[in-house]
Amino acid sequence: AQTVTQSQPEMSVQEAETVTLSCTYDTSESDYYLFWYKQPPSRQMILVIRQEAYKQQNATENRFSVNFQKAAKSFSLKISDSQLGDAAMYFCAYRTHGGSQGNLIFGKGTKLSVKP
Amino acid sequence: NAGVTQTPKFQVLKTGQSMTLQCAQDMNHEYMSWYRQDPGMGLRLIHYSVGAGITDQGEVPNGYNVSRSTTEDFPLRLLSAAPSQTSVYFCASSPGAAPSNQPQHFGDGTRLSIL
Repeated sequence: AQTVTQSQPEMSVQEAETVTLSCTYDTSESDYYLFWYKQPPSRQMILVIRQEAYKQQNATENRFSVNFQKAAKSFSLKISDSQLGDAAMYFCAYRTHGGSQGNLIFGKGTKLSVKP
Repeated sequence: NAGVTQTPKFQVLKTGQSMTLQCAQDMNHEYMSWYRQDPGMGLRLIHYSVGAGITDQGEVPNGYNVSRSTTEDFPLRLLSAAPSQTSVYFCASSPGAAPSNQPQHFGDGTRLSIL
């Protein structure tokens, strides 16, 4: 069974600085999808960025980018020019490619604080 | 475009009571699922459905029932609420039965407390 591990329960960053959130996963599959979700205090689950395992190029969405290391099974999220609105829980999630089970497997999350 | 709508947003139950959490989506998504979120945990899958009439169990299905009579609706039933079911519940949907890079769209969650 696949597992997702986020080893940093809490992180803190100064406004305008850069922070990296770690995520590792365990799988025997070669094709899969990885996601980062943001959950602000409003409780909404907001997609931040996604990565297909077959793509070697790291995904980028404005200030958010990932470092996808398939061999190491690592999928870290880098937030550049951090803003106060980035403060939230961040969840890494894995989604299998095969069959009908498109279910997400989540890590336990990293709580990010942004200091002004 | 409403997306995924969950009702109610908050609910308090007594042990042994039953209730249904409602989930509706207006995006014609085939895939729908229910997750629960507990403190210090990520979201864990309860049940999911790949289309009308088809449901299956996830990681933590005990104590919950689901049905999928229409594409739009996927209610979650607690038959006899227990304090261990105190949690925040999320419904999610995505297009297509097969997995893809399309993200799941989440509802705003239901905070459920069992006394």
